Amino acid sequence: DADVTQTPRNRITKTGKRIMLECSQTKGHDRMYWYRQDPGLGLRLIYYSFDVKDINKGEISDGYSVSRQAQAKFSLSLESAIPNQTALYFCATSDTNLEDEQYFGPGTRLTVT
Amino acid sequence: GESVGLHLPTLSVQEGDNSIINCAYSNSASDYFIWYKQESGKGPQFIIDIRSNMDKRQGQRVTVLLNKTVKHLSLQIAATQPGDSAVYFCAENIRTGTASKLTFGTGTRLQVTL
Repeated sequence: DADVTQTPRNRITKTGKRIMLECSQTKGHDRMYWYRQDPGLGLRLIYYSFDVKDINKGEISDGYSVSRQAQAKFSLSLESAIPNQTALYFCATSDTNLEDEQYFGPGTRLTVT
Repeated sequence: GESVGLHLPTLSVQEGDNSIINCAYSNSASDYFIWYKQESGKGPQFIIDIRSNMDKRQGQRVTVLLNKTVKHLSLQIAATQPGDSAVYFCAENIRTGTASKLTFGTGTRLQVTL
């Protein structure tokens, strides 16, 4: 079984809709992250969480919110989706420090029409 | 499969040859560097890392070289195999106080030809 899972894997939604992307991990890691990936821009950090009570904004948090429901679960929400949020979204986890190896999920391809 | 970069720099290497993928980083305060491999349709996968107090680190078939003078990082893959075909990202970590920030490069696509 995969250590980091993401649902859904693919989603097409309309402008203005609310959408939630979910991430679960079985690695027992405290730290979880949400990134988006766009062609030519690499991975950019949206939000990260060092534990259940700790949520931090990344470099591109505008238009997104997150919820850390448990150590193993970290969800990303788009309250009102817009077309420029069309991207690949990745969840990742790490053990202790940000610089430790991050384990990535398989990604969610989101298309906003 | 997923397209992770429509206009990525591409390196084509013949099977069995050695590959060298380069990365320039921007911040002289970066203290930790990581190489990731991303295959089509998958998330990035950790390959190897190096701390700023080192200039070389070797893994299985991979070597990372760090030149802090010119802020350059390279990944060498020995005896490249078809399974090495992927997009490779470098990432730099900058620590400020107790906080750290990991910044990813845009990636290089490695194509292995038979």
